[in-house]
Amino acid sequence: GAVVSQHPSWVICKSGTSVKIECRSLDFQATTMFWYRQFPKQSLMLMATSNEGSKATYEQGVEKDKFLINHASLTLSTLTVTSAHPEDSSFYICSARPRASGKDTQYFGPGTRLTVL
Amino acid sequence: GQNIDQPTEMTATEGAIVQINCTYQTSGFNGLFWYQQHAGEAPTFLSYNVLDGLEEKGRFSSFLSRSKGYSYLLLKELQMKDSASYLCAASNDYKLSFGAGTTVTVRA
Repeated sequence: GAVVSQHPSWVICKSGTSVKIECRSLDFQATTMFWYRQFPKQSLMLMATSNEGSKATYEQGVEKDKFLINHASLTLSTLTVTSAHPEDSSFYICSARPRASGKDTQYFGPGTRLTVL
Repeated sequence: GQNIDQPTEMTATEGAIVQINCTYQTSGFNGLFWYQQHAGEAPTFLSYNVLDGLEEKGRFSSFLSRSKGYSYLLLKELQMKDSASYLCAASNDYKLSFGAGTTVTVRA
């Protein structure tokens, strides 16, 4: 149980285009989903917290107009990187907090590797 | 702000024991997570400490001292497959702040 999927697993796009990444909780409902970014040899950095049915909360320094987050249902959150540039190339990982769980339980997706040419 | 420190790299031989230390300074604190991450993959959960003391789970144990802002992950009977990055993460109100990770290399 507690499986989180991400799609796509990897994506290559041209500079200036937009890319959408999906995060799904497959066997549980997630009231909260988190989006992280990880550059090579660095740790995960929280980008934003996404609550179902409400606006995402972005961490300091993360542009909300560039990284659009939609959490339309209890099992799906999407991250859209708009007007992507090479510096946006990174490993994007989502995690989901089950609706009926202890406060701190989070399950991670397998990640999406984005390369912007 | 959040400040999570852990060593960058550690090397040990198969069958040995390795202890990875983590110190944290955070504005709020609920508990301390340890995750294992293989290159190019997402983190997988290892342990979670809320109270002071040692939590043992098979070959892996984790310790927490809230008063000292200190935790460690103990890996026993090391196996080659344990070669990975180990991430320490402090939790505050559902949010995780990660350390940079400790790369553990297990040699035969």
